[in-house]
Amino acid sequence: DIVITQSPDSLAVSLGERATINCKSSQSVLYRSNNKNYLAWYQQKPGQPPKLLIYWASTRESGVPDRFSGSGSGTDFTLTISSLQAEDVAVYYCQQYYSTPYTFGQGTKLEIK
Amino acid sequence: QVQLQQSGPGLVKPSQTLSLTCAISGDSVSSNIAAWNWIRQSPSRGLEWLGRTYYRSKWYNDYAVSVKSRININPDTSKNQVSLQLNSVTPEDTAVYYCASVGSGNTPTMDVWGQGTTVTVSS
Repeated sequence: DIVITQSPDSLAVSLGERATINCKSSQSVLYRSNNKNYLAWYQQKPGQPPKLLIYWASTRESGVPDRFSGSGSGTDFTLTISSLQAEDVAVYYCQQYYSTPYTFGQGTKLEIK
Repeated sequence: QVQLQQSGPGLVKPSQTLSLTCAISGDSVSSNIAAWNWIRQSPSRGLEWLGRTYYRSKWYNDYAVSVKSRININPDTSKNQVSLQLNSVTPEDTAVYYCASVGSGNTPTMDVWGQGTTVTVSS
């Protein structure tokens, strides 16, 4: 199984500041045949299911604000929120869909400083 | 727009069978593009993918090794829904269970989720 590890476990950022969350996979999730990274980011608020933010490591899902961006390739990835808004308080997960079993990181709790 | 509506009991006794359903609207369970997944979430295990079913000229299933001996995910084409059965449950199976689709929302991963069902395993 591909193990996904996120850092940090929690993060406090001031409103309007940048938030950065890291994600590392135990093996590459880059398919050479199509040069795509099979890595997604989700946002989860209390009492709700995860919401897809980004797939292919850097493609924003429809309707996701452009302050959310994803980067990275192979085994190392980053989710960046360029200017934190109050509604961004949530737990963020990365997930690989390179192979089953699909696996998730342990989550990063983002709070307002 | 695809929507998933979950139903099923919130309390299951140890050693019994957990049964949940996921009703699909806006897509067909027999879609040749989509796959229908079950995931659970608990404080101890985090988000855990349990398995999926999908149709590509015939039906396929994939299951997580951790539950493979106890799980069945079945499509019901007459009701356009997917069911989850988890046998011989223990308190460790206490979690929020979600169904989620891959492919019905035009992305390559789980982009449409059910509302979640909190299942407690207790006598």
